[in-house]
Amino acid sequence: GENVEQHPSTLSVQEGDSAVIKCTYSDSASNYFPWYKQELGKRPQLIIDIRSNVGEKKDQRIAVTLNKTAKHFSLHITETQPEDSAVYFCAATVMGSQGNLIFGKGTKLSVKP
Amino acid sequence: DGGITQSPKYLFRKEGQNVTLSCEQNLNHDAMYWYRQDPGQGLRLIYYSQIVNDFQKGDIAEGYSVSREKKESFPLTVTSAQKNPTAFYLCASSSQSYGYTFGSGTRLTVV
Repeated sequence: GENVEQHPSTLSVQEGDSAVIKCTYSDSASNYFPWYKQELGKRPQLIIDIRSNVGEKKDQRIAVTLNKTAKHFSLHITETQPEDSAVYFCAATVMGSQGNLIFGKGTKLSVKP
Repeated sequence: DGGITQSPKYLFRKEGQNVTLSCEQNLNHDAMYWYRQDPGQGLRLIYYSQIVNDFQKGDIAEGYSVSREKKESFPLTVTSAQKNPTAFYLCASSSQSYGYTFGSGTRLTVV
């Protein structure tokens, strides 16, 4: 089955700097890779996702890149702000199949003003 | 909550008591899921259901039970066999084309 590894587990950056979170997956059949942001005590919120037919997707300060050959995908946040502080989860699944979304263990991002 | 509602928001369980967490969705999603989240940890899959009247165990199903009698509803019962039930429980639903939507969660505490 799918296994998703996420690094780092904690990340501290200065406001205005960039943050990068990396994930690897094991199942080459996986074709859908969402990223979720979870604030303390709240539900995970989808912030961006990418499907395997593209290599990069961008939404304002957030971008995700996918390397299918290496089975890596990464979240990039530019010009970080204190409100970006949260736990971020990557996930992977085979969309359209009976597969479940498999999550990484999360990265706690702290943005210092 | 984006079409998926969990209740109650907070729940307290006494030792040896069964409790049921509610999850309802109006998104017409076929699949529904229950995850458990412990402080500072990721999401672990308890049970999932791809279709009405069918469900499968996830990674940590022991001490939990579910039912899926209606497409909209996927209640989770935490039984007395679950020895460490204090956690944040998240319900989710998904469609093949859209992805996952999460409920707002239930925080269960043993008293």
